[in-house]
Amino acid sequence: GQNIDQPTEMTATEGAIVQINCTYQTSGFNGLFWYQQHAGEAPTFLSYNVLDGLEEKGRFSSFLSRSKGYSYLLLKELQMKDSASYLCAVRDSNYQLIWGAGTKLIIKP
Amino acid sequence: IAGITQAPTSQILAAGRRMTLRCTQDMRHNAMYWYRQDLGLGLRLIHYSNTAGTTGKGEVPDGYSVSRANTDDFPLTLASAVPSQTSVYFCASSELAGGTGELFFGEGSRLTVL
Repeated sequence: GQNIDQPTEMTATEGAIVQINCTYQTSGFNGLFWYQQHAGEAPTFLSYNVLDGLEEKGRFSSFLSRSKGYSYLLLKELQMKDSASYLCAVRDSNYQLIWGAGTKLIIKP
Repeated sequence: IAGITQAPTSQILAAGRRMTLRCTQDMRHNAMYWYRQDLGLGLRLIHYSNTAGTTGKGEVPDGYSVSRANTDDFPLTLASAVPSQTSVYFCASSELAGGTGELFFGEGSRLTVL
């Protein structure tokens, strides 16, 4: 079966760095997405990786290793507004998205 | 820029009633999707449409139906609602040709079936 694993919850301090991991087992691979979802709101797109390596976008970076079935989202200089759930999703060989359950990130002052 | 509009935003419904959740996009995306999101679970795909006139079943299609008469609209119908369909429903769209194919989501419809 297809599976996406990510931690249920993480806590970090304002101004610090946090890494949210995602491991996947899917039928084929056509890209990995990270989305941010604030409580009570819709998910919004953060990043996309299809080749191995690091994609940097401001305070957020996303890394992919296809051979290991592994990705992480790195958030730097954490701000209180970064408190949200972060969803990892993989597009499989049928171009369907398989979603992880999300990681709830709690930022403390 | 509206993006994707869902209606209603919230609804309480008696079991056995019929309900249609509306979804309209103004981005001319070819693909549209309906997901449900339940606590502790990832987004689960109910139905999708890769282009106007075609639809497909997702992971949890039972009890739901969709239609795609044109590019912009993708309504989701619950023929006879049951309490297990209590959830938050998200409509999304994406452009399959070119780019990343990222999904754009509506604000969600919170449905409670009693």
